[in-house]
Amino acid sequence: KQEVTQIPAALSVPEGENLVLNCSFTDSAIYNLQWFRQDPGKGLTSLLLIQSSQREQTSGRLNASLDKSSGRSTLYIAASQPGDSATYLCAVPDTGNTPLVFGKGTRLSVIA
Amino acid sequence: DTAVSQTPKYLVTQMGNDKSIKCEQNLGHDTMYWYKQDSKKFLKIMFSYNNKELIINETVPNRFSPKSPDKAHLNLHINSLELGDSAVYFCASSPRDNEQFFGPGTRLTVL
Repeated sequence: KQEVTQIPAALSVPEGENLVLNCSFTDSAIYNLQWFRQDPGKGLTSLLLIQSSQREQTSGRLNASLDKSSGRSTLYIAASQPGDSATYLCAVPDTGNTPLVFGKGTRLSVIA
Repeated sequence: DTAVSQTPKYLVTQMGNDKSIKCEQNLGHDTMYWYKQDSKKFLKIMFSYNNKELIINETVPNRFSPKSPDKAHLNLHINSLELGDSAVYFCASSPRDNEQFFGPGTRLTVL
């Protein structure tokens, strides 16, 4: 059964730093991978979706990469801002249109 | 606005009661889901529906019963609520084989 691990569990950085969040999954036969952001007490906001045929996706200061063969993805955040403080979740479906399996998230704090 | 919406946003109730949470999506998606986020913030699938038909039913007590009256709606009914049911419940939808969009969540507190 698919398992998703996110490292680190928590991260605190000063404003302006570039940072990398890591995600690994046990079964490399994924269809796609999604990164979400969750603010305290709020819902999930989809940040980036990478299809299995893609190596990376970019949106603004965010860049997500995917290495299916090694079962890894990274989310790179450039020039971090206090407004980036949130929990970042990585998730993959087992196959096709199946529900997502989530990691436990990385709680990011960007200090002004 | 195009979105996944849930009602109510907050639900506080006594043990033993029966309650329902409603979900609607106007994105034209084929598939809808219910996820549960526990007190440790871990998100886990409960149910998946595709075109009104139950596709996946994870190990969930049968006190939980999803109902999909049409492709745009997936409601969750919970009987005989227990303290351990306290959690945030998220509805989501997706087109076939693609990005999932989540509702704002329903925070259920059982007293």
